[in-house]
Amino acid sequence: DTGVSQNPRHKITKRGQNVTFRCDPISEHNRLYWYRQTLGQGPEFLTYFQNEAQLEKSRLLSDRFSAERPKGSFSTLEIQRTEQGDSAMYLCASRDTGGGSGYTFGSGTRLTVV
Amino acid sequence: AQSVTQLGSHVSVSEGALVLLRCNYSSSVPPYLFWYVQYPNQGLQLLLKYTSAATLVKGINGFEAEFKKSETSFHLTKPSAHMSDAAEYFCAVSVAGNQFYFGTGTSLTVIP
Repeated sequence: DTGVSQNPRHKITKRGQNVTFRCDPISEHNRLYWYRQTLGQGPEFLTYFQNEAQLEKSRLLSDRFSAERPKGSFSTLEIQRTEQGDSAMYLCASRDTGGGSGYTFGSGTRLTVV
Repeated sequence: AQSVTQLGSHVSVSEGALVLLRCNYSSSVPPYLFWYVQYPNQGLQLLLKYTSAATLVKGINGFEAEFKKSETSFHLTKPSAHMSDAAEYFCAVSVAGNQFYFGTGTSLTVIP
């Protein structure tokens, strides 16, 4: 399977706990993106990497959020001290360099903070 | 700044009828435009994309979209709806190929 893989698919956590999600992109793609999607909304940009470098972060990415992409392969998104407002679908996407390339999305990680 | 507006958060069509989902974009420079489909609890799947070549773009599953610069539109159409087309559809705009800006989505219901 050469698609984008995200784990876990679902995560339920108590408020205040830390959570970490993983994304494995398509191996040939050097750009990796994280988006957040809440119910009834389109995906909202969080951050992106070109290889291992984090090139852009959205203002949505508060200091409780951190993303890494060591060695330019898989990426992790960590949320510290989760809040109920963090409940959302977290989507990872990857693509080639090249303005016209579309994203290939993973199936997402649905986070529920109780 | 770039943005997209999807008119109609919910669209219902009869099976076999024309599907028309509307998308208008705002961009100060020539954009790249995309349509994605999302099934429940799934990620987004690329339907088609406009990258400044032909203005009429054909995608998967019989969908197509026409880029109209004068109207700043990129509406998605399909001549004959199928039950399997029921899903959420998102229009997105990108400039210089970095982050995408998505619309709020249109939920398509197909009535048998």
